[in-house]
Amino acid sequence: GENVEQHPSTLSVQEGDSAVIKCTYSDSASNYFPWYKQELGKRPQLIIDIRSNVGEKKDQRIAVTLNKTAKHFSLHITETQPEDSAVYFCAASISGGSYIPTFGRGTSLIVHP
Amino acid sequence: DTAVSQTPKYLVTQMGNDKSIKCEQNLGHDTMYWYKQDSKKFLKIMFSYNNKELIINETVPNRFSPKSPDKAHLNLHINSLELGDSAVYFCASSHGTSGGTYEQYFGPGTRLTVT
Repeated sequence: GENVEQHPSTLSVQEGDSAVIKCTYSDSASNYFPWYKQELGKRPQLIIDIRSNVGEKKDQRIAVTLNKTAKHFSLHITETQPEDSAVYFCAASISGGSYIPTFGRGTSLIVHP
Repeated sequence: DTAVSQTPKYLVTQMGNDKSIKCEQNLGHDTMYWYKQDSKKFLKIMFSYNNKELIINETVPNRFSPKSPDKAHLNLHINSLELGDSAVYFCASSHGTSGGTYEQYFGPGTRLTVT
């Protein structure tokens, strides 16, 4: 089955700095890679996703890059703000069939004002 | 409108009891899930269910059982509760194979405490 490794487990940055979270996956058949943000005490929510036919996707201050050859993908947050503080989860999955994503173990991002 | 709802939000119970958590989605999704999130925040999938098949994570004890009365509901029943079952349980739903999008919508979570 799929295995997703996520690093770092904790990331502390100053407001305005950039933050990068990296994930690797094992199953070359995976073709859909979502990122979820979970604020303290709240539910996980999708913030951005990427499919395997795209190398990069941006949405305002967040971007995701995918390297299929190396089987890794990354979340980039620029100009971090205190409200970006949360746990971020990456996931990998195969679209179609019984859709069951495999999640990374999460990264706790702390943005210091 | 609440997309995915769960009840109760908090559940405190004693070891050995049987309890259920209810989940409802009004998004018209065809696939629903149950996740367990432990104190280290790891999201562990327990079940995936659509109107065709139930997929069970083989590491989930058979004390846990999903019950789906219809496409909009997937309840979680837990028998003989143990201390290690204490966690936050999230229900989620997605279009699965249809609709072209695979975003999972999570419920607000149920914090289960077993004493």
